[in-house]
Amino acid sequence: NFMLTQPHSVSESPGKTVTISCTRSRGSIANNYVQWYQQRPGSSPTTVIYEDNQRPSGVPDRFSGSIDSSSNSASLTISGLKTEDEADYYCQSYDSSIVVFGGGTKLTVL
Amino acid sequence: QVQLQESGPGLVKPSETLSLTCTVSGVSISSYYWSWIRQPPGKGLEWIGYIYYSGSTHYNPSLKSRLTISVDTSKNQFSLKLSSVTAADTAIYYCARELLTHWFDPWGQGTLVTVSS
Repeated sequence: NFMLTQPHSVSESPGKTVTISCTRSRGSIANNYVQWYQQRPGSSPTTVIYEDNQRPSGVPDRFSGSIDSSSNSASLTISGLKTEDEADYYCQSYDSSIVVFGGGTKLTVL
Repeated sequence: QVQLQESGPGLVKPSETLSLTCTVSGVSISSYYWSWIRQPPGKGLEWIGYIYYSGSTHYNPSLKSRLTISVDTSKNQFSLKLSSVTAADTAIYYCARELLTHWFDPWGQGTLVTVSS
């Protein structure tokens, strides 16, 4: 199958913008939707982006998703960072109904 | 609103079978796909597999030989059985609804299963 590679950690200041990447090892990133989940310590993951760039109701528009076929990667961008955004973020995709998660990125807002 | 709740033993001995049940409320299980996902302590997420209400399943190839996922529509529940467990199977186990385009929402609160003698 394929792998999704994320940076282990990123950090940024409140009010700034951060982008987390997710690179697919084999197969086109554009062939299968990418999702992004937020997981705060001690909690279950929740969806912040689904189907590449869709936000579930209740997720602020500070969160956006995109894909870039040239780098075969997806990105999660969070603007106007708040301390409450500090969490682990996981990308996820699939191929032939096999689901794959990225290794996760720890976002620190300091 | 859709809610999921995992239940089952928190401690399983090596070589035995891990069994968990997920109870779904707020929606009939006879719709959507229903999945199990696990997370070893301090590590990332691993998809285990899914089941449709009809009983059709799809498993992670790395676990397929030890795995059975089943559904009980009369109780609005689905279950996981993982045989021949080792310490590597120690994890928080989550159940979740899997939508048609293979994303998960909502998730259960998760249950920690420790494999130890």
